Amino acid sequence: AQRVTQPEKLLSVFKGAPVELKCNYSYSGSPELFWYVQYSRQRLQLLLRHISRESIKGFTADLNKGETSFHLKKPFAQEEDSAMYYCALHVYNQGGKLIFGQGTELSVKP
Amino acid sequence: ETGVTQSPTHLIKTRGQQVTLRCSSQSGHNTVSWYQQALGQGPQFIFQYYREEENGRGNFPPRFSGLQFPNYSSELNVNALELDDSALYLCASSPSGGSQYFGPGTRLTVL
Repeated sequence: AQRVTQPEKLLSVFKGAPVELKCNYSYSGSPELFWYVQYSRQRLQLLLRHISRESIKGFTADLNKGETSFHLKKPFAQEEDSAMYYCALHVYNQGGKLIFGQGTELSVKP
Repeated sequence: ETGVTQSPTHLIKTRGQQVTLRCSSQSGHNTVSWYQQALGQGPQFIFQYYREEENGRGNFPPRFSGLQFPNYSSELNVNALELDDSALYLCASSPSGGSQYFGPGTRLTVL
């Protein structure tokens, strides 16, 4: 079955602390994974695409096929990072749909 | 460059009615996908249109239907509305095989 799991509904850290948002996936093919972010009252925005291996706003994510994970990391959290984060799996053989996890709310306290 | 736009922003309907939601894709994008996001959940794929043809469908009943027009804008139609159809409906556009970019969504409330 194709599935994306984000085990934490809420993650609360202090400013300057490291952050790791967990994402695990289940997919029989070669996975293409994304992280999307939704700031308060804004639309869902693309944060990272694993094949581009970019670092956006200090966030990075590495695909670990052995552990079927795509965790999002940032060494030093900022208050403006507070938002809802969604991990998504791109499934090509069904019209290119995205399968989303349930999301993790990140709260960065001052 | 204009991003993805959706209309209306909010909509209230009663059970059994029909609704049409609209989406304008980002310039240069020929693929539009629709998602339903219930409160506290991640978006769920409804269907995708590529060059005016349905290109994939999620686990939604036939009363959810759509269209894509020659300018790549799209409509989502829902017939015989049910209370559980209350959700945020998201449209996303993408170039062929590219990343999906989302609109702000339409909040549908069914009473």
